[in-house]
Parts: sequence; C-alpha cells; structure tokens
Amino acid sequence: NAGVMQNPRHLVRRRGQEARLRCSPMKGHSHVYWYRQLPEEGLKFMVYLQKENIIDESGMPKERFSAEFPKEGPSILRIQQVVRGDSAAYFCASSPAEGGTGSPLHFGNGTRLTVT
Amino acid sequence: GNSVTQMEGPVTLSEEAFLTINCTYTATGYPSLFWYVQYPGEGLQLLLKATKADDKGSNKGFEATYRKETTSFHLEKGSVQVSDSAVYFCALYSGSARQLTFGSGTQLTVLP
Repeated sequence: NAGVMQNPRHLVRRRGQEARLRCSPMKGHSHVYWYRQLPEEGLKFMVYLQKENIIDESGMPKERFSAEFPKEGPSILRIQQVVRGDSAAYFCASSPAEGGTGSPLHFGNGTRLTVT
Repeated sequence: GNSVTQMEGPVTLSEEAFLTINCTYTATGYPSLFWYVQYPGEGLQLLLKATKADDKGSNKGFEATYRKETTSFHLEKGSVQVSDSAVYFCALYSGSARQLTFGSGTQLTVLP
C-alpha cells in the first residue's frame, strides 16, 4: 500500500515563476492537509481539503497561494509569482477521515522548493 | 488559540543514555496529543499518541504520558540508539481547530 506521494521532491523556480506541488493521498484517504516547514522551524498548517472542497484555509497566505483537491487526480498546491521567502519544504498529509483522535495524519516526504 | 512549546535543541546524547524531550501545550477543550519523528530528507512519521488524560502512548521504546494537570506530554526513552537520531515534533489535535498544531521540533543526535 503506497504511502502519501508528493512530487516533485525538489523544485527550483526563479522569482516570479509559478510553482505547482502535487500530492496523491494514500489509497482510501479523502482528507488532505498541506503544511509548510521553513528552515529551522516547525510545521505550519496551510490548508485542509476534502474532495472538491476547501474545508479550512486559515493558514494560507491570502495572495498568490491556492489549493485544490479535484474529484479525480492529486491535490495541487499552487504558488504564483514566487518570491525568495516561499523557499521551504511543503508537506502533504492525508487521513481517511478528519484527522485527529482516530485518524492520525500520514505524511509524504515533502517537496523542497527553492526560489532563486 | 492552540499552541505547543517544545524543549529547544539540539540535543546530543551518547548511545544508551536516557532521553527526555519536554512538551507543553495550550488548547481549548480536550485535545489529542502526538509525537512525530522526522528522519533526514523524509516526511513525518507518527511515533505515538494519547487521546485522553493519563493515557500513556508508547512505541519503539519511547513513551509519553498525557498530563492534563501540567498540560504536558514529555517524550522519554530509557536507552537511545544511534538510529534514533532525528527531529522530534510534539503536536496536538483539537476538534475546534480541525488541524494538527506542531511544536518547533527538537533535533536529537545520538553518538556511538
């Protein structure tokens, strides 16, 4: 049973370009979370999605960032017009139900974004 | 709001030493508590969890007890190994927030 798959593992973008990060949840999981990890810091929540719905995007910057989880295909985190401060590791996690007591989150290996 | 405060690292120990990583939390309601471990270049893996006061989570020799009176969930291991070298994250889940809130992580290095 494959785990949470994220790609690419490493992504280099120049300032002003767009970054698209993909996440395929574990089989049978319909809840997806995105977290950002800045160097020497912990993980910060960005967004929580279910299929075709954004449930909580309170951690997502208001501009340039968007996320989707379509009925078919992976979840996508999109960052438009990237800036150097967007350089970080972006982790996706999934769970079969709303994460918490009975459904610990399963994490992917992350996408490390570098903005030059 | 919810928050998790972890003992700052890095922590360096010799093999077979005793490990404690402190974790305290602030939360509304009755959160579930977790420890995750991150090995270099990888994502986070669930190490152990506790869902109510006085529960003890344990896995791979690691233990943590959910202490409501001190709002703590300290991680302990009696005898660490070189393979335990990693970053350890304390986290809480509160139904009102519907997300995991993480501490800043503690880097552990175990020397042979």
